[in-house]
Amino acid sequence: QKEVEQNSGPLSVPEGAIASLNCTYSDRGSQSFFWYRQYSGKSPELIMFIYSNGDKEDGRFTAQLNKASQYVSLLIRDSQPSDSATYLCAVMDSNYQLIWGAGTKLIIKP
Amino acid sequence: GAGVSQSPRYKVAKRGQDVALRCDPISGHVSLFWYQQALGQGPEFLTYFQNEAQLDKSGLPSDRFFAERPEGSVSTLKIQRTQQEDSAVYLCASSSPGGVVYGYTFGSGTRLTVV
Repeated sequence: QKEVEQNSGPLSVPEGAIASLNCTYSDRGSQSFFWYRQYSGKSPELIMFIYSNGDKEDGRFTAQLNKASQYVSLLIRDSQPSDSATYLCAVMDSNYQLIWGAGTKLIIKP
Repeated sequence: GAGVSQSPRYKVAKRGQDVALRCDPISGHVSLFWYQQALGQGPEFLTYFQNEAQLDKSGLPSDRFFAERPEGSVSTLKIQRTQQEDSAVYLCASSSPGGVVYGYTFGSGTRLTVV
């Protein structure tokens, strides 16, 4: 059974601080790794994807991948109240199917 | 179209009623996915099309669920004899040829409530 695990939260972070979201996965054959943001009542929106070990930066967002530890994380710098949402980690397996975590609810406090 | 379009946005069905949910993917996107998302959970895979071919339907929870994409563009997810456990948001996503490894674009979803 392929699994993607996330802490459900809520994770509360002060405005302007760094929010750190974590995800672990079980399938070592996984190819690509995705972070989606989902506002309440809305559909998931792709924020970042990463497929190589290391860091990938896009604006205030940094994705980090460690395949040896089967761990992927998302850092959000200078957190804003508009970043408050549920963040879904998804992992693509060798069949190009996405396996999803249940999401971490992030709350940015003004 | 500019995005993935789903209709209806909301659907209330009486238990036992049949429903049909529509997805119109981004023009040119050959890959189309249906997901079911329960409250507080991540999306659960239902089925996958590449053009008109249904390549994977392993996630369909029962034979009451049926999906089609006859012309390789618009897709319909049909649920027969709806049950209360079918209440969820049904998400459609599409991806460009060769672009599936870069992620999917989701529609706004259809929230189905079975009463």
